[in-house]
Amino acid sequence: QVHLQESGPGLVKPSETLSLTCTVSGYSINSGYYWGWVRQPPGRGLEWLGTTFRSGSTSVNPSLKSRVTLSVDTSKNQFSLNLSSVTAADTAIYYCARVLGGTTSPHFDSWGQGTLVPVSS
Amino acid sequence: SYELTQPPSVSVSPGQTARITCSGGALPKQYAYWYQQKPGQAPLLMVYRDSERSSGIPERFSGSSSGTTVTLTISTVQAEDEADYYCQSADSSGTYVIFGGGTKLTVL
Repeated sequence: QVHLQESGPGLVKPSETLSLTCTVSGYSINSGYYWGWVRQPPGRGLEWLGTTFRSGSTSVNPSLKSRVTLSVDTSKNQFSLNLSSVTAADTAIYYCARVLGGTTSPHFDSWGQGTLVPVSS
Repeated sequence: SYELTQPPSVSVSPGQTARITCSGGALPKQYAYWYQQKPGQAPLLMVYRDSERSSGIPERFSGSSSGTTVTLTISTVQAEDEADYYCQSADSSGTYVIFGGGTKLTVL
């Protein structure tokens, strides 16, 4: 059974870059599927950030496109999120997830437990 | 931009039926998915492709679709069903993922 675990800094300062890594176990990223990031500000709803494939191809939420970079490291079975120029509005629980349905009907069947990333000086 | 609209809240008594709707212009062309999220937990995929139940999900959860609206129906609601429910779909090309705003189900 696939397991996903987010890791990253516990706190990010305004204007800096938020960097998170998702480590996948129980499944090889090289075997296929897409991999994605979703966030949830405290007390609010879910927001899709972006999706990436083992080849490095990505799709990103248009509202964040200029700030989001996604990458995959198949040798470590990990994928990563970078969100630049953060503000307090980027404070959220960040989830990584496996994406089924490819690029035709994407959806998320397995999720990490989520990591809260506060943005504060 | 593409949006999915859900009612902010739905309340039902135990044993009754709860219906949570989700409306969006691309829904006739794209499947909808439903997630349940309880406090402090990650979302859980409950229904996929409009009406298919995920493995291990009780039969009282069902999904349906009609035009630009999809509906999650919870029959014989139990106290443990109290949670936030999110619909999710994609734009017509399947490139961009969108979530509804979420519906808080309260079991009275």
